[in-house]
Amino acid sequence: GQNIDQPTEMTATEGAIVQINCTYQTSGFNGLFWYQQHAGEAPTFLSYNVLDGLEEKGRFSSFLSRSKGYSYLLLKELQMKDSASYLCAVRSFQKLVFGTGTRLLVSP
Amino acid sequence: DAGVTQSPTHLIKTRGQQVTLRCSPKSGHDTVSWYQQALGQGPQFIFQYYEEEERQRGNFPDRFSGHQFPNYSSELNVNALLLGDSALYLCASSLALGESPLHFGNGTRLTVT
Repeated sequence: GQNIDQPTEMTATEGAIVQINCTYQTSGFNGLFWYQQHAGEAPTFLSYNVLDGLEEKGRFSSFLSRSKGYSYLLLKELQMKDSASYLCAVRSFQKLVFGTGTRLLVSP
Repeated sequence: DAGVTQSPTHLIKTRGQQVTLRCSPKSGHDTVSWYQQALGQGPQFIFQYYEEEERQRGNFPDRFSGHQFPNYSSELNVNALLLGDSALYLCASSLALGESPLHFGNGTRLTVT
């Protein structure tokens, strides 16, 4: 079966750091993706992990532990425009399986 | 460089009708995947097309069918529409059966009344 869990909603303050966790149990694993989706818009690619460890990309970092079935997305120096849904997705047999997404609200 | 384009952007249909949604992949991409996203949920995989064939299929009934053309564009057809089919339908393209990150279009918002 396929199961991807992430918190439904998180709130944070502008300038702060927030960590969005994702745990997964999937049949077949070939990488984990994070996407950002603003309301009414398409998901946009943020990061990709296939090996254990941390991938850093500007204000965004993503971590993967395959043995624990766990990933997180770290957002630093939060800006108001970071208010969006963040989708964790596992590539399983060449298709992406998505979690329900975490809605992040950044307040002034 | 054009990204993934979908048409139409919005559509209203009644129960029992049929609908066709269209997608042109990002330039250079050869694989198209379709997803259904209900409000407040993550995208759910419908199926994937590569070399004009359906390569993988998610847990969707046969009312959902598709096609890929020689120019890599794709259509999603839904027959006998149900109220529960109301959702955002996202098309995503990639290279080589999803080996590269998916690039999504802005979607078609389908409302079934």
